[in-house]
Amino acid sequence: QVQLQESGPGLVRPSETLSLICTVSGDSVSSISFYWGWIRQPPGKGLEWIGSLSSVGSPYVNPSLKSRVSISVDTSRNLFSLRLNSVTVADTALYYCARHGRGLRRPFDYWGQGALVTVSS
Amino acid sequence: ENFLTQSPGTLSLSPGEEATLSCRASESVGRNNLAWYQHKPGQAPRLLIYGASSRASGIPDRFSGSGSGTDFTLTIRGLEPEDFAVYFCQQYTTSPFTFGPGTKVDLK
Repeated sequence: QVQLQESGPGLVRPSETLSLICTVSGDSVSSISFYWGWIRQPPGKGLEWIGSLSSVGSPYVNPSLKSRVSISVDTSRNLFSLRLNSVTVADTALYYCARHGRGLRRPFDYWGQGALVTVSS
Repeated sequence: ENFLTQSPGTLSLSPGEEATLSCRASESVGRNNLAWYQHKPGQAPRLLIYGASSRASGIPDRFSGSGSGTDFTLTIRGLEPEDFAVYFCQQYTTSPFTFGPGTKVDLK
């Protein structure tokens, strides 16, 4: 069974960089059939797609975050990661990683349980 | 950006009743690439419906989806105790992929 698990610091200072890792089991991030994505949910708000990538090609990123987001895949450790720089309190959210089905334009069929990241001094 | 709205915000029902949830898009969702998810606190969201009307693997047939273009519906026939949760829709045709704010189905 495919499982995803987010990990990373739960507290980040304003203006610093948020870094999260999503460890995948039961599947390979090397598979060219699947895309892997990041989604977040600020407290009391709806879900926001951050970006997605596969093991080949360039990542796709939400234009609203494009200038601050970096997404990458590490096939040797079977994980993918998110970096969001210059964070503010508005970046406080529950961050999820998820797998698209076969292709970018497919729904998210497996999700992690989420990692809460708080931006605060 | 294709904005999604959902109604109602909260639906209070009893077990055995039928729930009808609506998702409306600001632009037509191409290829009906509209998904529905169930989300319970502390758990990973669960894909229920994709392509507006296809059930994901392992999803009971009391869950059904319908609609096209800009208007979509999720119906849950005969609510079970485990169905009380938040349900949100998502369009995955046009980047940025967007989600609705969710409908909470709670116990009356």
